[in-house]
Amino acid sequence: DAGITQSPRHKVTETGTPVTLRCHQTENHRYMYWYRQDPGHGLRLIHYSYGVKDTDKGEVSDGYSVSRSKTEDFLLTLESATSSQTSVYFCAIRPLAGGSTDTQYFGPGTRLTVL
Amino acid sequence: QQQVKQSPQSLIVQKGGISIINCAYENTAFDYFPWYQQFPGKGPALLIAIRPDVSEKKEGRFTISFNKSAKQFSLHIMDSQPGDSATYFCAASRNSGNTPLVFGKGTRLSVIA
Repeated sequence: DAGITQSPRHKVTETGTPVTLRCHQTENHRYMYWYRQDPGHGLRLIHYSYGVKDTDKGEVSDGYSVSRSKTEDFLLTLESATSSQTSVYFCAIRPLAGGSTDTQYFGPGTRLTVL
Repeated sequence: QQQVKQSPQSLIVQKGGISIINCAYENTAFDYFPWYQQFPGKGPALLIAIRPDVSEKKEGRFTISFNKSAKQFSLHIMDSQPGDSATYFCAASRNSGNTPLVFGKGTRLSVIA
C-alpha cells in the first residue's frame, strides 16, 4: 500500500457543508496527488503537490482546494459540497527513488456521498 | 480533450482465453506507459509498465505491446483466469518531474469459467 492512508474511508454529508479528506504517507515522498473516480470517467486529477506548500491544479479542480503544510499530509477540501462531488477519491504518491520514478502508488480511497 | 483513449469499456473472456485491451495516446512527449489493475473497493495497483524504447514487455501472463508510430499500446493477458476479473486502466506521462499520469477511462474485464 506504499504507506498511504486515507481518512475517512467513508463519509456521507449534506449539500453545502464543508468536507476535508486527508491523505497521509509515511515515507516522505515529495509528490502527492488527488484523483476522483467516477463510472465512465476513469481517474481524473483534481490537484497535486510537488512539495510543502507547492500545489497545482488538475483537470477537475473547480470546487476543490488543497493544502500541504507538511510532507506527510495532503488535504483535499470541498468548501461547499455538491451532489456532483459524490465520488470515490484516491490519493497517490510518486517516489523519486528506487524502481521507476514515474510510477504512482494509490491509497485505498475515500467514498464520499453528498446528499 | 482526452489524451488517452481506452477500449473496450467492458470485456468478457472465457477462462484460458486471451484478454486484449487497447489504448491510444495523442501527446508524442509521453514516455511512460503503465497499466493499473483495480479490484472492487480497492485502489488501483500498478500491474506492468513500458517505455517507448522497447516494443514489448512481458511479466508472467501479462504483456504490453507498444507501437510508437501508431501512438498505441495494448495489454494482453494470456491464459485469463477468473481472478483476473477487475478494472484495468492504461495511463501515460512525460518524464518531466512533476507531470502526473493521465488515465484512460478503464476497461471492466470479466473472465468466466
